[in-house]
Amino acid sequence: QVQLVESGGRVVQPGTSLRLSCDASGFSFTFYGMHWVRQAPGKGLEWVAFISSDESKKDYAASVRGRFTISRDNSENTLYLQMNSLSSEDEGVYFCARDRDWGSPSYIDYWGQGMLVAVS
Amino acid sequence: DIQMTQSPSTLSASVGDTVTLTCRASQSISIWLAWYQQKPGKAPKVLISKASTLENGVPSRFSGSGFGTEFTLTISGLQPDDFATYYCQQYDSYFPVTFGGGSRVEIK
Repeated sequence: QVQLVESGGRVVQPGTSLRLSCDASGFSFTFYGMHWVRQAPGKGLEWVAFISSDESKKDYAASVRGRFTISRDNSENTLYLQMNSLSSEDEGVYFCARDRDWGSPSYIDYWGQGMLVAVS
Repeated sequence: DIQMTQSPSTLSASVGDTVTLTCRASQSISIWLAWYQQKPGKAPKVLISKASTLENGVPSRFSGSGFGTEFTLTISGLQPDDFATYYCQQYDSYFPVTFGGGSRVEIK
């Protein structure tokens, strides 16, 4: 079955960097677009970034554009999110998620369990 | 970017009620809308895609409708398992993905 397992979340100081990883299994990773979605404590879902299956398309939310970089390694079935210049606004649970399609962003059909990033 | 506005933010209802949640887009997104259910401490689960297509395994009491800028999610005969927060998400290919702020369905 589809599994998405995030790692890399921890407590970091403001202004520093952090890289999140997401290990994918149970499906052909190469054929699907992927997202990062976050949720601040007690708040709603916020879409962060999308990457197409072949990395030709990358999209970012305005709140992270220029600070965050999404990437993937199809040979390792792994999704990444490099986060720079972190602030308290970036704190929350980060979900790795699979897009239903491969090219442009569509809807999300599978989610990881989520991982906490704290900025303090 | 397209703004998604959900209403109400909270709704109190009883088991067996029919509830309707609304999601409005700041500009037309055709049918490119999905609905998700999220329970506390859990990842969201997709219920509906393309505004009205029920995902596999989702109970038929859930239904979606709408086109353009106004969409609804209806739960016909609310069950105890349905008390949760519901989010809409637009995925029009010309704009970045955005979620609505959520509608929480609580027990009256």
